[in-house]
Amino acid sequence: GAVVSQHPSRVICKSGTSVKIECRSLDFQATTMFWYRQFPKQSLMLMATSNEGSKATYEQGVEKDKFLINHASLTLSTLTVTSAHPEDSSFYICSASLLAVEQFFGPGTRLTVL
Amino acid sequence: AQSVTQPDIHITVSEGASLELRCNYSYGATPYLFWYVQSPGQGLQLLLKYFSGDTLVQGIKGFEAEFKRSQSSFNLRKPSVHWSDAAEYFCAVGVENTDKLIFGTGTRLQVFP
Repeated sequence: GAVVSQHPSRVICKSGTSVKIECRSLDFQATTMFWYRQFPKQSLMLMATSNEGSKATYEQGVEKDKFLINHASLTLSTLTVTSAHPEDSSFYICSASLLAVEQFFGPGTRLTVL
Repeated sequence: AQSVTQPDIHITVSEGASLELRCNYSYGATPYLFWYVQSPGQGLQLLLKYFSGDTLVQGIKGFEAEFKRSQSSFNLRKPSVHWSDAAEYFCAVGVENTDKLIFGTGTRLQVFP
């Protein structure tokens, strides 16, 4: 149980385009979903926290207009990277919380912006 | 503020040897503590967690960790390492009154045959 999926697993796009990444909790309803960014050989950096039906809470330094998060249901959250640039290339990981504190992680999405 | 420190960036062990990965946290009350493992290009898999109770926690894949309040530590151990254990290991602490986690910088484990 407690499986989280992400789609796509890899995406390559041109600079200036927008990319949407989906995060789904497959066998449970998540009270909260989280989006992380991970640079090569570094730790996870929390970007934002989202709850179903409400606006996401962004961490300091994360541009909310660039990284749009929509949490449409208890099993689906999406991250849209708008007007992507090469510096947005990274590994994006989502997680979902079933109970307070404990998080279950998706397999990640590798974004490459050319 | 809460924080997590993993002092060892990179550890190399021989297959079959014992392993201990260090994790120190900064938190006033009893923390929620986690160890995750990440294989290259993959998400994080939970190895074990500590919320309360018995300070020696058993996890998956033969891993265990011991919560030591006096040392503010939550070190991960395995008596005999397998080549498949080569990966990045992250210690994390739950942020008080939120659902957030703070991650350590990670320890990369390399296993030699």
